[in-house]
Amino acid sequence: NAGVTQTPKFQVLKTGQSMTLQCAQDMNHEYMSWYRQDPGMGLRLIHYSVGAGITDQGEVPNGYNVSRSTTEDFPLRLLSAAPSQTSVYFCASRTGTGANQETQYFGPGTRLLVL
Amino acid sequence: RKEVEQDPGPFNVPEGATVAFNCTYSNSASQSFFWYRQDCRKEPKLLMSVYSSGNEDGRFTAQLNRASQYISLLIRDSKLSDSATYLCVVRGLTGGGNKLTFGTGTQLKVEL
Repeated sequence: NAGVTQTPKFQVLKTGQSMTLQCAQDMNHEYMSWYRQDPGMGLRLIHYSVGAGITDQGEVPNGYNVSRSTTEDFPLRLLSAAPSQTSVYFCASRTGTGANQETQYFGPGTRLLVL
Repeated sequence: RKEVEQDPGPFNVPEGATVAFNCTYSNSASQSFFWYRQDCRKEPKLLMSVYSSGNEDGRFTAQLNRASQYISLLIRDSKLSDSATYLCVVRGLTGGGNKLTFGTGTQLKVEL
């Protein structure tokens, strides 16, 4: 089991460029989420999905798009990168909200620098 | 007021010490509670869930006080390997019950 994988590990972008952060999980989890982590801010939810074809906004969705065409994949798209999007991005997945289903598994993260 | 608040630390303790972290949450309708551990430049990993009756896992004890909206984590006999940031996490009702809210974390440094 690879768990949750993310690519790339590091990325440098120029302001205005677009890119897609990839996330995949092989645990057949329904719930997937994208977070960003900034110093002093904690992890903040960008977008989430409760199953293939279903996505919704988190608390900081502006500037990001997501789609969920399969259970396994949940890519995050930066439409036009801005320096404020410099952050560490974590993808996560979990089975559900029932008993013994709440463990959230995180990918190793993508470190993004926008110049 | 932040939804989940933690003392950022750092807590510097000698090996073998007992250390306690506290966390408060603002939404009384919160459903589930957790402690996650995050090592430097790594992803968070679940340390333990927190149950109303309190629960223990080896050297780690978690307590929940719903009336005071307060969660705690006690680490006994600290090891060097316990050095990390400990994140308090709360699951609410928004987002179909999917939304986890993370505290900013409490940093622990265990020293010789």
